[in-house]
Amino acid sequence: GQSLEQPSEVTAVEGAIVQINCTYQTSGFYGLSWYQQHDGGAPTFLSYNGLDGLEETGRFSSFLSRSDSYGYLLLQELQMKDSASYFCAPLYNQGGKLIFGQGTELSVKP
Amino acid sequence: DAGITQSPRHKVTETGTPVTLRCHQTENHRYMYWYRQDPGHGLRLIHYSYGVKDTDKGEVSDGYSVSRSKTEDFLLTLESATSSQTSVYFCAISDSTDRAGYTFGSGTRLTVV
Repeated sequence: GQSLEQPSEVTAVEGAIVQINCTYQTSGFYGLSWYQQHDGGAPTFLSYNGLDGLEETGRFSSFLSRSDSYGYLLLQELQMKDSASYFCAPLYNQGGKLIFGQGTELSVKP
Repeated sequence: DAGITQSPRHKVTETGTPVTLRCHQTENHRYMYWYRQDPGHGLRLIHYSYGVKDTDKGEVSDGYSVSRSKTEDFLLTLESATSSQTSVYFCAISDSTDRAGYTFGSGTRLTVV
């Protein structure tokens, strides 16, 4: 299987900034995506990095460094509704398969 | 606005029985995927399809088969269900392999007793 690491849990307070890191296996790597999942519901797509650098979408940003096999998701101005699981999912070039990490459970406290 | 639906939403079945889960899409997307989600394992790819009658295995394909006879339907079959296949099963669709923006269904919660 593909090696993939992200923290299992992160806790932060409302209004704060949190960064969720992800390291992945390089072989066949094509790009890195991030998904959000609330309470076991359908995962929803947040962002995708096909190139090195920062992608910004509102309060969420995602970063990729291919040379370091590393990426992160940055959540700013945290809100209670951001409490969810966040998955990094590298895309590999064999049939466009996404391989998901075990997820990071983010808890946002008042 | 569900462009992807899974059925059934919940199912309880007995060990040794065959089970088929259905994923139906109205988006005309080429690619379809089946994942299972278990505590501590995230989402794991079971099988995927890159077109009608074109399927391939994922990370955890043992004990599962799939079929795609039409663009809109992707069926996952457990030939002889086991307790280890108790899980939440998610279907996903995509129109491209280079942007990774999958759309997921709401999931099927399967319990094998």
